[in-house]
Amino acid sequence: DGGITQSPKYLFRKEGQNVTLSCEQNLNHDAMYWYRQDPGQGLRLIYYSQIVNDFQKGDIAEGYSVSREKKESFPLTVTSAQKNPTAFYLCASSADRGRTEAFFGQGTRLTVV
Amino acid sequence: GQQVMQIPQYQHVQEGEDFTTYCNSSTTLSNIQWYKQRPGGHPVFLIQLVKSGEVKKQKRLTFQFGEAKKNSSLHITATQTTDVGTYFCAGRGDYKLSFGAGTTVTVRA
Repeated sequence: DGGITQSPKYLFRKEGQNVTLSCEQNLNHDAMYWYRQDPGQGLRLIYYSQIVNDFQKGDIAEGYSVSREKKESFPLTVTSAQKNPTAFYLCASSADRGRTEAFFGQGTRLTVV
Repeated sequence: GQQVMQIPQYQHVQEGEDFTTYCNSSTTLSNIQWYKQRPGGHPVFLIQLVKSGEVKKQKRLTFQFGEAKKNSSLHITATQTTDVGTYFCAGRGDYKLSFGAGTTVTVRA
């Protein structure tokens, strides 16, 4: 089946630890996105990538890092510099550099204790 | 930078009634997309509007793109319990796909 896969679904980490969220797609999409979702704040863009080996900061990139070494993979690292990392993280991809619909993964709910 | 705002944030609707949610952008958009997220789920694409003044219908849902391509609306007629969820608009500019805060819809039977 073609799609976009995020893992794990739930993740718990201690404060001060870096954690990497996985996002893989087999849709052959060029564009990939990471969003953070908090109650009442919609989807806020963290990072996006239009092509392999290139990515840009979104609206809330501080405390996060990404890489795009392969077309199908766009992992997100939540660093210890992120002051409030507990949230629901959504990865998405789209063909044609965002001119078409975005497909979302199931999301990863990160809890930092 | 580009900002997409949605109102209202919450919409409580009696089953069978109509309602409208509105989306406004601070900049002109190349296109506007609408998504629905069911409780506990992830956003799912509903529709994309590209042309100025464009109107599209999906059964009881009517989507409209403003003439200036800076605003959009979603109108739902005869609301059903299956319409429960959060509706997001998303605008594309400079390859970014920016989402509004969403309108969360609850339905009273």
